[in-house]
Amino acid sequence: TQLLEQSPQFLSIQEGENLTVYCNSSSVFSSLQWYRQEPGEGPVLLVTVVTGGEVKKLKRLTFQFGDARKDSSLHITAAQPGDTGLYLCAGAAGGSYIPTFGRGTSLIVHP
Amino acid sequence: GAGVSQSPSNKVTEKGKDVELRCDPISGHTALYWYRQSLGQGLEFLIYFQGNSAPDKSGLPSDRFSAERTGGSVSTLTIQRTQQEDSAVYLCASSLAGPPNSPLHFGNGTRLTVT
Repeated sequence: TQLLEQSPQFLSIQEGENLTVYCNSSSVFSSLQWYRQEPGEGPVLLVTVVTGGEVKKLKRLTFQFGDARKDSSLHITAAQPGDTGLYLCAGAAGGSYIPTFGRGTSLIVHP
Repeated sequence: GAGVSQSPSNKVTEKGKDVELRCDPISGHTALYWYRQSLGQGLEFLIYFQGNSAPDKSGLPSDRFSAERTGGSVSTLTIQRTQQEDSAVYLCASSLAGPPNSPLHFGNGTRLTVT
């Protein structure tokens, strides 16, 4: 059983469309991180959310942490081909302090 | 260099051989992690170092896997008697402080293929 469930697993859209990906758990997290990974590279940190209900914006990306700190979402407005990649959420919970990763959402944005 | 460096970037080995993977973390980062990424499986935690000590090695899948860190810097992950199921991308990450909230900086990984 995955501590962090991400959905959808795959997403293929056209340039200019909006999308939302989700990261859900039954556990409470002190913080959650979102990473983006491109082929042949390691994950790169996009944002850390800490406070329940927090919303953070990074250009066209909007990250939200659930009020109960059990879930998070990433919304991309007007997706660009450069947004293509694997989006991973990560956090530590359930008595462990080691960051656990979800399986990721693989996004392809077609020009 | 400015980032986490891993070597080799690719390694092809025969089943039963030993392999050694190297990670150079960002200078000054006290925490170092090894993860394994297989297709469709996400990132699987292997081991965590704080300085030269490994407070958590609970993710090592078998006693064929070992890791060490020397001088609070370079780490090596050794896999003995490799098996085909060991094929994966092995990712190293470092962070300025320990878990859980200090963000991880990843290297580009070593792609291991066991034939």
